[in-house]
Amino acid sequence: KQEVTQIPAALSVPEGENLVLNCSFTDSAIYNLQWFRQDPGKGLTSLLLIQSSQREQTSGRLNASLDKSSGRSTLYIAASQPGDSATYLCNTNAGKSTFGDGTTLTVKP
Amino acid sequence: DVKVTQSSRYLVKRTGEKVFLECVQDMDHENMFWYRQDPGLGLRLIYFSYDVKMKEKGDIPEGYSVSREKKERFSLILESASTNQTSMYLCASSWRLYNEQFFGPGTRLTVL
Repeated sequence: KQEVTQIPAALSVPEGENLVLNCSFTDSAIYNLQWFRQDPGKGLTSLLLIQSSQREQTSGRLNASLDKSSGRSTLYIAASQPGDSATYLCNTNAGKSTFGDGTTLTVKP
Repeated sequence: DVKVTQSSRYLVKRTGEKVFLECVQDMDHENMFWYRQDPGLGLRLIYFSYDVKMKEKGDIPEGYSVSREKKERFSLILESASTNQTSMYLCASSWRLYNEQFFGPGTRLTVL
């Protein structure tokens, strides 16, 4: 059974810092890995999708990487802003979909 | 833009009631998913469907059933609601299994 772990569980940084969120998974037989953002009480917003054949994807200040052989993905956020404060979730899709518990990010002005 | 809608944002039901949660997507997606989200337990897959009338169990199907009679609609059914089914329920859809998932806003269900 796939297990997805996200470290750290919570992170607090001052505005403007660059930061990295980590996701590890136990089964590398995945179709893709997707990063989401969730604001309190809301649904999930897709940030980036990396197919199993890809190494990274970029969107604006976000960059996600995937290393299937080591079972790891990172989400890099450049020049963080208070509006980036949210919970970030990692999801692996291998037919069955598995989420990590998330990293709650607080960016202080 | 893909739109996934859920029938209710908040729902309060009594123990033993039969509960229907509805999810509709407007992009002709093949796959639809039902999750529940609980503090400390994260998001867990209940059921998913990869085609009309097709369904697969997720990690926690006990106490739930699903129905997909039309491609755009995926229903989650609680046959006899219990207090431990109080949770946030999230629906998602994707074109193919290897494509991006899009989520609805969620239904917060309280079972008294």
